[in-house]
Amino acid sequence: GAVVSQHPSRVICKSGTSVKIECRSLDFQATTMFWYRQFPKQSLMLMATSNEGSKATYEQGVEKDKFLINHASLTLSTLTVTSAHPEDSSFYICSAKPGLADSREQFFGPGTRLTVL
Amino acid sequence: EDKVVQSPLSLVVHEGDTVTLNCSYEVTNFRSLLWYKQEKKAPTFLFMLTSSGIEKKSGRLSSILDKKELFSILNITATQTGDSAIYLCAVGTGTASKLTFGTGTRLQVTL
Repeated sequence: GAVVSQHPSRVICKSGTSVKIECRSLDFQATTMFWYRQFPKQSLMLMATSNEGSKATYEQGVEKDKFLINHASLTLSTLTVTSAHPEDSSFYICSAKPGLADSREQFFGPGTRLTVL
Repeated sequence: EDKVVQSPLSLVVHEGDTVTLNCSYEVTNFRSLLWYKQEKKAPTFLFMLTSSGIEKKSGRLSSILDKKELFSILNITATQTGDSAIYLCAVGTGTASKLTFGTGTRLQVTL
């Protein structure tokens, strides 16, 4: 089946630094990737939709200058949390959708746990 | 604003019990409703429903959608401790098929 990887799986950083999270589709080309954030005991919140070769579409309330998304190729999207603060600590999950497939074919990565000290 | 609401928020049952999890939604441009199981990491796909009244079944799990009343249920029969997880309902909307997730139901199955 389709596999999506994320790197790193866990990161701890100091307040004010920037952190980059990678999301890769390993055995398929993903025209669309999605970035979610999940706080403890809460559901996944969509942050942005990323299409290869174009600017990401951010959900309401998500700061695009703080959460930089780059979808430079059909197998890689990156999320950079700039000037991270403790309130950015969360579980970040990406998903990837191959081609024009329907909603079911949105495969999730294993997630990245970010802790900002 | 699209909204997906799940109930109950949490549930503790004994092994062998049958459980029903609920998901209601209010969205624009509905395309599909999906159920996921989340244990420690990312969600794993269970079902996708697009048509009313057609039951999807996989082993002890089954699900059905009512597009008129805007809800879906997920049934688990003869529960096992391995069913303990958070069950997420998500609704896919629009041409980009973005997913709006519900709050999840935390299920704990005890011996």
